Amino acid sequence: AQKVTQAQTEISVVEKEDVTLDCVYETRDTTYYLFWYKQPPSGELVFLIRRNSFDEQNEISGRYSWNFQKSTSSFNFTITASQVVDSAVYFCALSVIETSGSRLTFGEGTQLTVNP
Amino acid sequence: GAVVSQHPSRVICKSGTSVKIECRSLDFQATTMFWYRQFPKKSLMLMATSNEGSKATYEQGVEKDKFLINHASLTLSTLTVTSAHPEDSSFYICSAREKGGRVDFRIPPGEQYFGPGTRLTVT
Repeated sequence: AQKVTQAQTEISVVEKEDVTLDCVYETRDTTYYLFWYKQPPSGELVFLIRRNSFDEQNEISGRYSWNFQKSTSSFNFTITASQVVDSAVYFCALSVIETSGSRLTFGEGTQLTVNP
Repeated sequence: GAVVSQHPSRVICKSGTSVKIECRSLDFQATTMFWYRQFPKKSLMLMATSNEGSKATYEQGVEKDKFLINHASLTLSTLTVTSAHPEDSSFYICSAREKGGRVDFRIPPGEQYFGPGTRLTVT
């Protein structure tokens, strides 16, 4: 069975601060995919990134960066110079290849509030 | 591309009535659609996996007679909440997986595209 843990339930920062959202996952599969999604107050999930288990390269996209460490089963997400518009719930998710359709297992989410 | 719509976006119904939620893939064919439920300040919980032309696979603890899922075409899946009660009030989200995803780790399994969600309130 798969499990995703986001230990930080809520984080509050002041604009322009850097913030890191933690994600730890569990799976027995050697091939898997990790995702981050953003859910603003409107409710719609916004896809941010997908990594496969064979690619441990860190990735940077603008103010966003991701640190994938297989040794610690972590896939952390950092927002640099946070902005008020970054306020949302962020979900980390895990998918393994299944014959039934590669379903996603979500973490509990981290509510990020960026204050002006 | 890869847009998924849900209708309605919000619905209020009376206890004991049934309500149908539609999930459509607008510009791609979806062999698999997923239905999730989300309570306030909680995570998404997978309710069922729906494959076109076959019966849905329900997660443990989800009543299949309560939550009827139909995936009649490659672009449409419906979730019907039968005899709704206030405890069924929730945010329901669907996602669609594009047809043709290959089982090869270099090519991700068909990406799931999420709909905007439907907020159901049962009074």
